[in-house]
Amino acid sequence: GESVGLHLPTLSVQEGDNSIINCAYSNSASDYFIWYKQESGKGPQFIIDIRSNMDKRQGQRVTVLLNKTVKHLSLQIAATQPGDSAVYFCAENWGNEKLTFGTGTRLTIIP
Amino acid sequence: DAGVTQSPTHLIKTRGQQVTLRCSPKSGHDTVSWYQQALGQGPQFIFQYYEEEERQRGNFPDRFSGHQFPNYSSELNVNALLLGDSALYLCASSQPLRTDTQYFGPGTRLTVL
Repeated sequence: GESVGLHLPTLSVQEGDNSIINCAYSNSASDYFIWYKQESGKGPQFIIDIRSNMDKRQGQRVTVLLNKTVKHLSLQIAATQPGDSAVYFCAENWGNEKLTFGTGTRLTIIP
Repeated sequence: DAGVTQSPTHLIKTRGQQVTLRCSPKSGHDTVSWYQQALGQGPQFIFQYYEEEERQRGNFPDRFSGHQFPNYSSELNVNALLLGDSALYLCASSQPLRTDTQYFGPGTRLTVL
């Protein structure tokens, strides 16, 4: 069936550097994508979203890029901080109802 | 403005028992979705409630049922618990006509012994 997957399960980045988390999706009908951050013992926290009619969207220190040709999206975090350490999930939405999540990437910021 | 709240935080049950988990959506939100998150996995969609009706359901057995109340709060019930039901149960709420953007609560950690 359709699924959302992640290229790398873990990522370690030096504090202050930029990080890039990648995600591949397989449902070409998906029209909305969300990145969530989940810290240990907490629920997923909304970070940024993007619709399929866009290829880039920026937030505070975060940028999401969408490449529909290869069904790939990425989350860029600029000037990483210790508080950025968490598991990051991409999720896709189609049909405006349920979200389909990938397995997640654990980001560790090295002081 | 309170976000999505869930209760209880943690719960321990034994096989065969029944459990009820509760969720209050974010203020202004009318749609509630439930997800199951096994350790080390992404959340899996269980079902969604809108106007007190189950609107969509994921691939979960009938042992999983829910309810939504007039104040938009919701309950998730699981009957005949199995060891494999041990997971973090997440509730997410969304605004009217914006069910694609969902905001999550802290979850209820269910352990089945």
